[in-house]
Amino acid sequence: EAQVTQNPRYLITVTGKKLTVTCSQNMNHEYMSWYRQDPGLGLRQIYYSMNVEVTDKGDVPEGYKVSRKEKRNFPLILESPSPNQTSLYFCASSGGANYGYTFGSGTRLTVV
Amino acid sequence: AQTVTQSQPEMSVQEAETVTLSCTYDTSESNYYLFWYKQPPSRQMILVIRQEAYKQQNATENRFSVNFQKAAKSFSLKISDSQLGDTAMYFCAFMKHRASGTYKYIFGTGTRLKVLA
Repeated sequence: EAQVTQNPRYLITVTGKKLTVTCSQNMNHEYMSWYRQDPGLGLRQIYYSMNVEVTDKGDVPEGYKVSRKEKRNFPLILESPSPNQTSLYFCASSGGANYGYTFGSGTRLTVV
Repeated sequence: AQTVTQSQPEMSVQEAETVTLSCTYDTSESNYYLFWYKQPPSRQMILVIRQEAYKQQNATENRFSVNFQKAAKSFSLKISDSQLGDTAMYFCAFMKHRASGTYKYIFGTGTRLKVLA
């Protein structure tokens, strides 16, 4: 089944404790992206990647890192999480601009 | 800057009725794509329908159709014969190509639709 697998689904952590949210797709998509969803703000892009070793900032990149060492994987790293990073996070991949996204199932992150 | 506006934060509709969700966008581009995504309570984001800006014909997917008015920069979603399973948050999204050769999706803030039995 074609899908984007995102883990974990829920995560509660403390301020400053490094964490990684994993994302993997099995569709051989070149384009992958991370979004955060907050009430009233819709989805905002954090980082995106057009291919292996090619990443770029989205609209809200502060406090986040990404890497794209393999085509299928695109992890999101929070080196020192803060409470304002409490949000719902989505990984998404696309096989082409006109096809839209396939989204992961989301990660609900709470930073206390 | 491109923006996407969904002016209806919440809507409700009776089962079997028709409802229209509005979306407007602002762009100077001539070539772009538009999408509607559905997010049910399970929070999974699901692509509902897409429209290519150069196509004048409105896209249709079963009970879902769009009214694409390019000059007015409007992209509304019509849901016919509403079903309880249509209860969800609906996001409008605009996609444009960047000068770098990549592309970018911009999402609206969403409309929460509740279908009433």
